[in-house]
Amino acid sequence: NAGVMQNPRHLVRRRGQEARLRCSPMKGHSHVYWYRQLPEEGLKFMVYLQKENIIDESGMPKERFSAEFPKEGPSILRIQQVVRGDSAAYFCASSPPLASGRQETQYFGPGTRLLVL
Amino acid sequence: QQPVQSPQAVILREGEDAVINCSSSKALYSVHWYRQKHGEAPVFLMILLKGGEQKGHDKISASFNEKKQQSSLYLTASQLSYSGTYFCGTERGAGGTSYGKLTFGQGTILTVHP
Repeated sequence: NAGVMQNPRHLVRRRGQEARLRCSPMKGHSHVYWYRQLPEEGLKFMVYLQKENIIDESGMPKERFSAEFPKEGPSILRIQQVVRGDSAAYFCASSPPLASGRQETQYFGPGTRLLVL
Repeated sequence: QQPVQSPQAVILREGEDAVINCSSSKALYSVHWYRQKHGEAPVFLMILLKGGEQKGHDKISASFNEKKQQSSLYLTASQLSYSGTYFCGTERGAGGTSYGKLTFGQGTILTVHP
């Protein structure tokens, strides 16, 4: 049973370009979360998605960042017109459907390291 | 509101014990503990739910004091493989419903020497 998959593992972009980060959740998982981690810092929540729905995007910057989780295919985190401050590790996590009154474990992918030159 | 972890760093020799604390100013639904090694993904260790249910790891234990909104992770007889950064992730909820979103602490760096 494959774990959470992310690609690319490393991405280099010049300022002003677009970055697209992909996340395929574990089999049977319908919930996807994106987190950003700056060097030597903790994980910062960005967005929580279910298939075709954004549940919570309170951690997403208001501009240039967007996320989707289509009915078919991986979840995509898109960063338009990247700036040097976007350089970070971006982790995706997935979990099974949340049964009422219970929490499920979030399993993390290997991350995408974005470097903006 | 980000939970606060203490201590920020711990240095141990193999076989010694350590406790890592996680405190929140908000009422919590669950607390999740992860370990991350440099350049790798966070790996799940433990989840503690309001009401006392615990899922865990056979070498590591944890507690969750709902009234104090605190959780502690206990590492006993530490091994070299325990080295890494430990994060607690807290989840708020209401009415028994989980929100899903985790807010992580700043991390505790644990180093185990031979």
